[in-house]
Amino acid sequence: DTEVTQTPKHLVMGMTNKKSLKCEQHMGHRAMYWYKQKAKKPPELMFVYSYEKLSINESVPSRFSPECPNSSLLNLHLHALQPEDSALYLCASSLSIAGGSEKLFFGSGTQLSVL
Amino acid sequence: AQRVTQPEKLLSVFKGAPVELKCNYSYSGSPELFWYVQYSRQRLQLLLRHISRESIKGFTADLNKGETSFHLKKPFAQEEDSAMYYCALMGYGGATNKLIFGTGTLLAVQP
Repeated sequence: DTEVTQTPKHLVMGMTNKKSLKCEQHMGHRAMYWYKQKAKKPPELMFVYSYEKLSINESVPSRFSPECPNSSLLNLHLHALQPEDSALYLCASSLSIAGGSEKLFFGSGTQLSVL
Repeated sequence: AQRVTQPEKLLSVFKGAPVELKCNYSYSGSPELFWYVQYSRQRLQLLLRHISRESIKGFTADLNKGETSFHLKKPFAQEEDSAMYYCALMGYGGATNKLIFGTGTLLAVQP
């Protein structure tokens, strides 16, 4: 299995809802990432997990809460989002975060719309 | 600060014509540079990385440290090359590396 799987593919939520995005990989990768991509913009790094520990938080608002329950799973919990948070949320993984030229494998993303 | 610049939002060429997608970077150390590609309705995927010095799908990219550039080239464009291309830089921050993307260039290959 050489894929990063994200669910759901699409999500519509109100500003008072609580929802979660899920990401899964079975390639034995120990680094996992959340990126946010607005339309016609490049992906922007949000969080990096290394060996299930949060390694980077790019000053993301607390209404986004990541969780890495084990080495294969990465969640992004959403609460009290704003309409401007509507975007494609990409999950990625790599073998590790140390060392150079690590290839990132991307999921197909969750298209989130906040009403 | 690390930064990746792709000056062209859109590059339109005819099939069979040469292609050059420009990428310039700013980084104080020795960067690792990549080209990622996103075909229509497909996930973002790695095209090539400078350390491998490889040619993928006819594309090559050479790191020019003097000009801080990592331009992507292909001598003869094909219609299936039409996609969004992102230049990316891996910067080192202690024990953690960050992959930073440029703004992307949409390549449109006309028949």
